[in-house]
Amino acid sequence: DGGITQSPKYLFRKEGQNVTLSCEQNLNHDAMYWYRQDPGQGLRLIYYSQIVNDFQKGDIAEGYSVSREKKESFPLTVTSAQKNPTAFYLCASGGGRNYEQYFGPGTRLTVT
Amino acid sequence: GEDVEQSLFLSVREGDSSVINCTYTDSSSTYLYWYKQEPGAGLQLLTYIFSNMDMKQDQRLTVLLNKKDKHLSLRIADTQTGDSAIYFCAESYNNNDMRFGAGTRLTVKP
Repeated sequence: DGGITQSPKYLFRKEGQNVTLSCEQNLNHDAMYWYRQDPGQGLRLIYYSQIVNDFQKGDIAEGYSVSREKKESFPLTVTSAQKNPTAFYLCASGGGRNYEQYFGPGTRLTVT
Repeated sequence: GEDVEQSLFLSVREGDSSVINCTYTDSSSTYLYWYKQEPGAGLQLLTYIFSNMDMKQDQRLTVLLNKKDKHLSLRIADTQTGDSAIYFCAESYNNNDMRFGAGTRLTVKP
């Protein structure tokens, strides 16, 4: 059963703590992406990776970090430097010839 | 930068057709996409159209592209209550960069 999984679905953290969001795909896609979604807004790109051991900053990378040690996995760390971390985080994979992206179910992070 | 714009809300009666509109500004966009998002869920790819096409139909969905006016629309025929969701228009010309609109919230009334 191919797809993209994100865990956990809900995550609560205290201000000042780093937190890592998981994203795994078994679609054999080369590219993976992290987006942030805030209410009433579109998606904003945080980081993307076109290949293992390589990744690029998106539009809002400050306060976030990623790694891509395996093709299947692209974890996102929200650091204490991120000023407003409470949001819905979406992971996607793709890289096909039609450039389409497929999304996971998302993780809602609440920082208090 | 380039923007993708959509109206924020649309309300229709069950059984009617829904038309969701989108405008984009990047003339180099190669593909345009429609995604559906249900509450608390990720985005589901509904359909996409290559920029050299005018129309694409897939069951109840019809996508129209006016490249001259940079206008994209999604028509849902015989709209059902299960179609209530947020619909995102997106554009891309490579695998590094997909630009999304803010989403149109479709409400289907019985």
